[in-house]
Parts: sequence; structure tokens; C-alpha cells
Amino acid sequence: GNSVTQMEGPVTLSEEAFLTINCTYTATGYPSLFWYVQYPGEGLQLLLKATKADDKGSNKGFEATYRKETTSFHLEKGSVQVSDSAVYFCALKTSYDKVIFGPGTSLSVIP
Amino acid sequence: DGGITQSPKYLFRKEGQNVTLSCEQNLNHDAMYWYRQDPGQGLRLIYYSQIVNDFQKGDIAEGYSVSREKKESFPLTVTSAQKNPTAFYLCASTGEPNQPQHFGDGTRLSIL
Repeated sequence: GNSVTQMEGPVTLSEEAFLTINCTYTATGYPSLFWYVQYPGEGLQLLLKATKADDKGSNKGFEATYRKETTSFHLEKGSVQVSDSAVYFCALKTSYDKVIFGPGTSLSVIP
Repeated sequence: DGGITQSPKYLFRKEGQNVTLSCEQNLNHDAMYWYRQDPGQGLRLIYYSQIVNDFQKGDIAEGYSVSREKKESFPLTVTSAQKNPTAFYLCASTGEPNQPQHFGDGTRLSIL
């Protein structure tokens, strides 16, 4: 079946550090891949997406590249800020019915 | 602006009581979803609906019920059969296959 695996958190970084959150997936067919962010007490917001192999999604300094050969969609940011502290979810969607979410990775950025 | 509205933001349930969480969207999306999120955990799918008057159970449907009488609305009832209802409930919708889901701001349900 379809599944998403994310690196375990929590992740704690100093401001301006480089961020990588690993995400790998298992899926039949050709899934679309997403990263969502959740700030405390709020719903999920779409951060970026990629719909086919080698696509690069980017938004607010975050990037992720759809790697079909390694079934990965790692999230990166060159210089994190305190305001990036949140929970990040990797997700995949192969059809109209369901999205498969990873367990989420909590990020704390300290000044 | 189009979006998803969940209400109320906070809800308290007494023992043996059913409560209904509201979810309304004005995005003209066909598919709608309900998720449960427990502290420090990911999202678990409760129910979803692809079209009006049709819905399917997700992974943790026991103790919950839904209806989809209108395209814009997908209310979730937490019944007294749900013995551990304290959680954060998120509603989502999507318009096209392989497009991302849009989420509401959630309802936090607690037991009195």
C-alpha cells in the first residue's frame, strides 16, 4: 500500500542554520507529493507541491525535489528563522480519494 | 476569499452526549474529508466524501458519523460511542485529482 515516512523529530536548529527534513514514500502509480506546515493551534497549510518526477516545488525559501529513483521528497531551507518553528508534514496523493500523510516533524528554531 | 470554515473553534462534550462539528467550504470542491489529530501525532482519516449524498469510512470511523446533503457542507458528529473523543479535528477539501487538500483551522474537542 501507499505510505510516507518522515524523519523523527523534534528537530532543533539555531537561527540561520540549514534545514533538511527527509521524506520517502511508497506508492503505486504516479503520486503527487506535498509538504504541509502546521503552526500551533492551526490547520495545515500547503507549503509546496510537485506533481511529477524531477519537479521542484518551492515557496518561502523552502524547496523539495520529486526524486522518483530514490522515492524521496526531502524538504530543505538554506537559512531558517524563528518564525519557521512548526510541524511539517510530507504527503502523497495518487487519486481523488485519499491523501497519505507522514507522521509530521516538529521543528524548533532558537535565536 | 474562498476557503474552509470550521466551527466552533473549541467544543466541550459531556459524557453520553453527541456533538456536531461544522465544516463549510466555498471553494466549489467536490471532495471533503475529516481528520483527527492527537497531540504530537499525525493525521488520521475519519470519513471522506467525493460527491453529495455519498461518503466512505476512513481508518478510524467508529464512533463518528457524517452527512453530505450539500456540496458545501460536511458536518461530523462525534457520538457517545466514541470513548476517547478529545482531539483536534480538521476538515479538508479538494477540487481535482492529484491537487492538494485545503484545510480549515480546526475544532478542538474536549470532555467535560
